Formats: sequence, structure tokens, C-alpha cells
Amino acid sequence: RKEVEQDPGPFNVPEGATVAFNCTYSNSASQSFFWYRQDCRKEPKLLMSVYSSGNEDGRFTAQLNRASQYISLLIRDSKLSDSATYLCVVNKGSYIPTFGRGTSLIVHP
Amino acid sequence: GAVVSQHPSRVICKSGTSVKIECRSLDFQATTMFWYRQFPKQSLMLMATSNEGSKATYEQGVEKDKFLINHASLTLSTLTVTSAHPEDSSFYICSARDPGLAGGSDTQYFGPGTRLTVL
Repeated sequence: RKEVEQDPGPFNVPEGATVAFNCTYSNSASQSFFWYRQDCRKEPKLLMSVYSSGNEDGRFTAQLNRASQYISLLIRDSKLSDSATYLCVVNKGSYIPTFGRGTSLIVHP
Repeated sequence: GAVVSQHPSRVICKSGTSVKIECRSLDFQATTMFWYRQFPKQSLMLMATSNEGSKATYEQGVEKDKFLINHASLTLSTLTVTSAHPEDSSFYICSARDPGLAGGSDTQYFGPGTRLTVL
């Protein structure tokens, strides 16, 4: 089993739709979690950290389920500009980050 | 947010030459930096972890003599691809770990990447 797994997609959704991605991790000792966004041929950019209690930033909501070892990202009211690859990042205790392979999102008119 | 710069952004070189890539954290001190490579439509692959003042820790399968990493200061790490070959052509990205405030969540900030093409 890979350390961090994501459905590569692509997820094709119309503008205005709500879409959710999950990311599972295998190491129960993982300590911090993040979602990054990567546009084509660009570097990843931090979208949001994921806190145990769940957190929201505008249209984006991130949640952590330690019991089932997954994190999720929910995007409401999708915009065309949300089209990108969303990377799940899990840090183990030594702060060595492990990336998922990313989930591709395509928002169409 | 924190800024990490990377230079050069693009380099084309002949096979057999060495290429040096610099990664700088501009507004915070990074005790740890990471070097990744990414092939088209693939995930980021961690190559090595660079700690200031000590030797880098390389991931399995990454040749330390081919990919030389130096982390001479708290704001600069360099990756040198020695005797580059066409199969080394890739997108190389560095990141710097910002430990943040005490009790806060540390995060990574990425440089804009270096696209290396070896002819």
C-alpha cells in the first residue's frame, strides 16, 4: 500500500458544482496534513493546512479523519479557475513530507 | 506568505555538463529544505532532504554522487546535477520548511522550479 493515495481522476465537473476529494495515508503516526494546488508546469502552492477539527477557507473545506486515516477536500461553487491538480501532503513525525500523486480537477462551463 | 526563490528557472545544457540550481528562502530561515523532481504527469518525487550544516539525506535510488546537495546557510541550498544526461531532464523543485511560530503548524513553501533539458 502506498503511503499516501489519491484518486488521480480527472474529475470533470460543471461550474457551480460541489466536488470532494479524499486522500488516504498509511502511517498512523502522521502528524500534519496539507492540501496543495499545482497548475500545469508550475510549482505546488499551499492551499490549506488540515486541522483535526476541520477547517474552512471560503469555498474550500478540509477535514481529517484519524480513525480511518484519510483527509478530504471539499470545493463548493466550483470556478473555472479551480481547474488544477490537488496534492495531498502528509508529514510524518520527522517532518518528511510525503506527497500523493494528485487529483486532477477540470471545471467546465 | 513565505517566499522561496529558485534559480535558474530554465536551463538547457549539453550531455556531460554539470548544472547548479539554487534554492533560497527569502523571508524566513529554513533549517530544512527538500529537493524534488517531477516528470510530466507524475507526482513529485522526493530526492533528498537538506539540513543546514550537515550532509543531505538521500532517498533510496537517488545517487548522492550525481546529485550533490549543499546547504551552506539557513537561507540557501544548492543542487548540482553532475555529468547530466538526457534522462536527467526533468522539473526540479525545491521547498523550504518554515517551522512557524511555537506550537503552530509548520509548512513547506515551494520554489517555482527549474526545468532542466539535457541535450
